[in-house]
Amino acid sequence: KAGVTQTPRYLIKTRGQQVTLSCSPISGHRSVSWYQQTPGQGLQFLFEYFSETQRNKGNFPGRFSGRQFSNSRSEMNVSTLELGDSALYLCASSFGSGLSTDTQYFGPGTRLTVL
Amino acid sequence: EDQVTQSPEALRLQEGESSSLNCSYTVSGLRGLFWYRQDPGKGPEFLFTLYSAGEEKEKERLKATLTKKESFLHITAPKPEDSATYLCAVHTMDSNYQLIWGAGTKLIIKP
Repeated sequence: KAGVTQTPRYLIKTRGQQVTLSCSPISGHRSVSWYQQTPGQGLQFLFEYFSETQRNKGNFPGRFSGRQFSNSRSEMNVSTLELGDSALYLCASSFGSGLSTDTQYFGPGTRLTVL
Repeated sequence: EDQVTQSPEALRLQEGESSSLNCSYTVSGLRGLFWYRQDPGKGPEFLFTLYSAGEEKEKERLKATLTKKESFLHITAPKPEDSATYLCAVHTMDSNYQLIWGAGTKLIIKP
C-alpha cells in the first residue's frame, strides 16, 4: 500500500512570493492534516481537511490556506512569503473517523527555504 | 488546558545502555496516546498507540507503557540506528480530531 506522498520535496523561494505544496494521502484516507516544523520547535498544527471541508484550524495567519479535492488530495498555499516561513511542511493522512484507533501517517515533508 | 510534556529534551547514551523517555500529559480525557520516531529532515514514523492505563506494546528494542498521567518509551540495549527524535502525541475527548503534540526527545546513541 503506497504511503503519503508530498511534492515537491524541496523548494526555494524569495520573500513576497507565494508557494503551493501538494499532498496525496494513503488510499482510503479522507483526512489530511498539515503541520509546520522549524528547528527547535515541535509540530505546529496548520489545518485539517476532511471530505473537502476544513474541519480544524491552527493559529496561523491568513497567508496560510489550504484545500482538499474530491479524491482527498490536498494542497496548501502560502502567500507573501516571509523569511520565518522557512520550515519543513508535513502532511499526515488518516481515516478521519475521530475514533481512538485512527492513526495519522506522515509524508516525507517539503523543505521550504525562503531567501 | 490540555498539555503534553516530554522529557528529557535530549538524551545521549552509549550503545547498549538502556534508558527511558517520558511523556506526561494533562488532558480532560485520553482517547489514545501515540509514539512516533522522526529522523532528521524526514516525516515522523508511527511506532505505537496506547489506549488505557496498564497497556504495554513492544517493537524490537522499544517498549511503550501507559499510566493515567504519563507514558514511557523504554529502549533496551540501543544501537546507533535508534538515534532519532521521539515524539509523543495524544488524542483527547475535547481535541476535535486533532492531536496534541509534545516537543520531542532527541536521542543520540554513541557507538
